[in-house]
Amino acid sequence: RKEVEQDPGPFNVPEGATVAFNCTYSNSASQSFFWYRQDCRKEPKLLMSVYSSGNEDGRFTAQLNRASQYISLLIRDSKLSDSATYLCVVNGKATGNKLTFGGGTRVLVKP
Amino acid sequence: DTGVSQDPRHKITKRGQNVTFRCDPISEHNRLYWYRQTLGQGPEFLTYFQNEAQLEKSRLLSDRFSAERPKGSFSTLEIQRTEQGDSAMYLCASSGPRRQGGTDTQYFGPGTRLTVL
Repeated sequence: RKEVEQDPGPFNVPEGATVAFNCTYSNSASQSFFWYRQDCRKEPKLLMSVYSSGNEDGRFTAQLNRASQYISLLIRDSKLSDSATYLCVVNGKATGNKLTFGGGTRVLVKP
Repeated sequence: DTGVSQDPRHKITKRGQNVTFRCDPISEHNRLYWYRQTLGQGPEFLTYFQNEAQLEKSRLLSDRFSAERPKGSFSTLEIQRTEQGDSAMYLCASSGPRRQGGTDTQYFGPGTRLTVL
């Protein structure tokens, strides 16, 4: 079983719609959680950190459920530019250490 | 532009050749990481430096792979006797001293895409 699992998609989303997807992680000791965005053939870029109380950044909302060990990302009012692969990322320690990535969820926003 | 640079951006080599990649982290960052990403997968951790000390290595880092960060600034990743299975994107990331209460955000460079023929 992979440490971080994601639905690979693709999620085909009409422009302006809302899309949400989850990832699950297996290490209950994980302490830091992130969503990274990766465009085709580019490097991953931090989208947002995920906090225990849930957090929002503009049209993006992230939630963490420690009891069930899953993280979610919701995108409201989808834009064409939101088309990308969204990587769920877990860090086992609070201080600098390796990141464990999921395989990514591909989102395609269409006009 | 995150400030992490990698060179070269693309490398095509023949099986059995040695290759070396370079990563220049963000200047004030003391931590440097190497990851490998194959098509359709997320990046996988290879190794991690804090200053010049290599603190962690993945099982993925076979004895054909070696990484260095001699002065705690730039890092090199060498692959000896390349195999076709080494074809991947090699990503470097760096992070700085964690501010109190903050998270240790890693910033990625553009990657070196290796193709082994």
